[in-house]
Amino acid sequence: DVKVTQSSRYLVKRTGEKVFLECVQDMDHENMFWYRQDPGLGLRLIYFSYDVKMKEKGDIPEGYSVSREKKERFSLILESASTNQTSMYLCASSRPNREAFFGQGTRLTVV
Amino acid sequence: GNSVTQMEGPVTLSEEAFLTINCTYTATGYPSLFWYVQYPGEGLQLLLKATKADDKGSNKGFEATYRKETTSFHLEKGSVQVSDSAVYFCAPAGNFNKFYFGSGTKLNVKP
Repeated sequence: DVKVTQSSRYLVKRTGEKVFLECVQDMDHENMFWYRQDPGLGLRLIYFSYDVKMKEKGDIPEGYSVSREKKERFSLILESASTNQTSMYLCASSRPNREAFFGQGTRLTVV
Repeated sequence: GNSVTQMEGPVTLSEEAFLTINCTYTATGYPSLFWYVQYPGEGLQLLLKATKADDKGSNKGFEATYRKETTSFHLEKGSVQVSDSAVYFCAPAGNFNKFYFGSGTKLNVKP
């Protein structure tokens, strides 16, 4: 089975902290994605990566950055956390033109 | 740009009722089309997919047909069960397999 693992299920951080969300996949997928999910807004794409060290902005990249130093790992970085970044964060991976597999999500609360 | 429109939820049905969740999309070219399901407290799981016009995806009694002429991919099930209660997302896949998710449709099935 494909496994996409997010490092934390629940996270509480303070305003202004630098926050790292980690995602690891074990199926050698080329593509990896970070989404945030908010009530009434569905899933919105923050960043995606189609290869090691390659990244492209999604629809809402402001306030976020990403890192993909190894094929299996895709990190989302909140440079200075703010309360409006309180959300559910979902990581996914896929092969090109194939379905995406999702992690269980990280619920981040910024206080 | 790509976008997707799903019917507003929540949808409340009695067990064994017929289900339709409408999905229409705008996209460049002819994307692959997917339905994902999210059970409470979990990440998204692939429910079914279709990769070209007139293809029918099916799984667990759910079906959806790729209608190029109407750019639609409506989800149907003949007889829903309480265990089908979840949030359903329609997602066309664009360039680099970037998925565009609708806001999701919450389904409540009552015994």
